Amino acid sequence: EIVMTQSPATLSVSPGERATLSCRASQSVSSKLVWYQQKPGQPPRLLIYSASTRATGIPARFSGSGSGTEFTLTISSLQSEDFAVYYCQQYYNWPPYTFGQGTKLEIK
Amino acid sequence: EVQLVESGGGLVQPGGSLRLSCAAAGITVSNNYISWVRQAPGKGLEWVSVIYSDGDTYYADSVKGRFTIFKDNSKNTVYLLVNSLRIEDTAVYYCARDPNGDPDAFDIWGQGTMVTVSS
Repeated sequence: EIVMTQSPATLSVSPGERATLSCRASQSVSSKLVWYQQKPGQPPRLLIYSASTRATGIPARFSGSGSGTEFTLTISSLQSEDFAVYYCQQYYNWPPYTFGQGTKLEIK
Repeated sequence: EVQLVESGGGLVQPGGSLRLSCAAAGITVSNNYISWVRQAPGKGLEWVSVIYSDGDTYYADSVKGRFTIFKDNSKNTVYLLVNSLRIEDTAVYYCARDPNGDPDAFDIWGQGTMVTVSS
């Protein structure tokens, strides 16, 4: 089973600033990496798939990069609605479809 | 409108059972992969089970032998039968669609149904 590890657990950033979230896989997942955003009381929302492709309707301030075992989600200029929990998920060797433990992005 | 709607959650004693439903609208379960993903209170996401378009099924080790996923194409609904429930099964259970690789991701999620296991 591929283990996904996200860092940091909590990230405090001011609105308008850039946020960088990391995800590491225990073995190569090529570019089969997905990012989700989850707000309190809501289901996850698909943000990025194939490591760097934005899902339909996702603003351009969200970008994903990386391949192999190291991945990054960058939010270029944080808006108030971006403060949420972000999860990565590997889609290379499944099932199981393993998720990271999440990064909580909070207002500084 | 494309949507998944879960139902069937509730309060159940340890060792009890429930049948969770995931009703699809705007998509057909017969030609999509449908997974169940759960989230314990204040915790992260845990994949539970999947049923493929051809009917193949897979389970997380934590639920294998206790949970059963199946679907009724005529009702466009996927079910998760959860047996021998444990305290640690307490969670919101979401169903999610994987459109067979286009993209490789869970692109549609339901709002979830809460399962509480307590004596």
